[in-house]
Amino acid sequence: NAGVMQNPRHLVRRRGQEARLRCSPMKGHSHVYWYRQLPEEGLKFMVYLQKENIIDESGMPKERFSAEFPKEGPSILRIQQVVRGDSAAYFCASSPEFSGNTIYFGEGSWLTVV
Amino acid sequence: AQSVTQLGSHVSVSEGALVLLRCNYSSSVPPYLFWYVQYPNQGLQLLLKYTSAATLVKGINGFEAEFKKSETSFHLTKPSAHMSDAAEYFCAVSDAGGGNKLTFGTGTQLKVEL
Repeated sequence: NAGVMQNPRHLVRRRGQEARLRCSPMKGHSHVYWYRQLPEEGLKFMVYLQKENIIDESGMPKERFSAEFPKEGPSILRIQQVVRGDSAAYFCASSPEFSGNTIYFGEGSWLTVV
Repeated sequence: AQSVTQLGSHVSVSEGALVLLRCNYSSSVPPYLFWYVQYPNQGLQLLLKYTSAATLVKGINGFEAEFKKSETSFHLTKPSAHMSDAAEYFCAVSDAGGGNKLTFGTGTQLKVEL
């Protein structure tokens, strides 16, 4: 049973480019969460999605960031016009509908903006 | 709003010594509490969780944590440290009302010395 799969694991983008991070949840999981970990900081919640719905995006920056979880395919976190401050590790997590609040994390995608 | 405070961003112990990592939480509703471990360049692995059952929770790798409502604490302990325990540890809280959204502490880096 594969875990939460994220790709790419490492991504380098120049300032102004777009970054797309993909997350495939564990089999049977219908809920996806994105977290960001800035250097020397803990993880910060960004967004919570179910299939085709954004449930909670209270942690998403107001501009340049978007997320989706389509009916088919992985969840995508998209960052437009990246800036150096976007350099961070982005973690995806997933859970089944009823999980007792346990979510399972992927191994992360490390974005470096140069 | 929920919050988590981890006292001590760096803790160093000798191999075989007691490990104690501190976590205090703030929550207006009964919380679910978690400890996660993160090895370098990897995702987060769940160590244990408290979900209002027994106050002493046993997790993987010999770790355990005790929920103390009067002290709003959920400290992580292990009787005897092993070199392989060196990692970063995160305490997290979520609203028992559901949604699985986690609020993380800033983490404690555990160093184990010979």
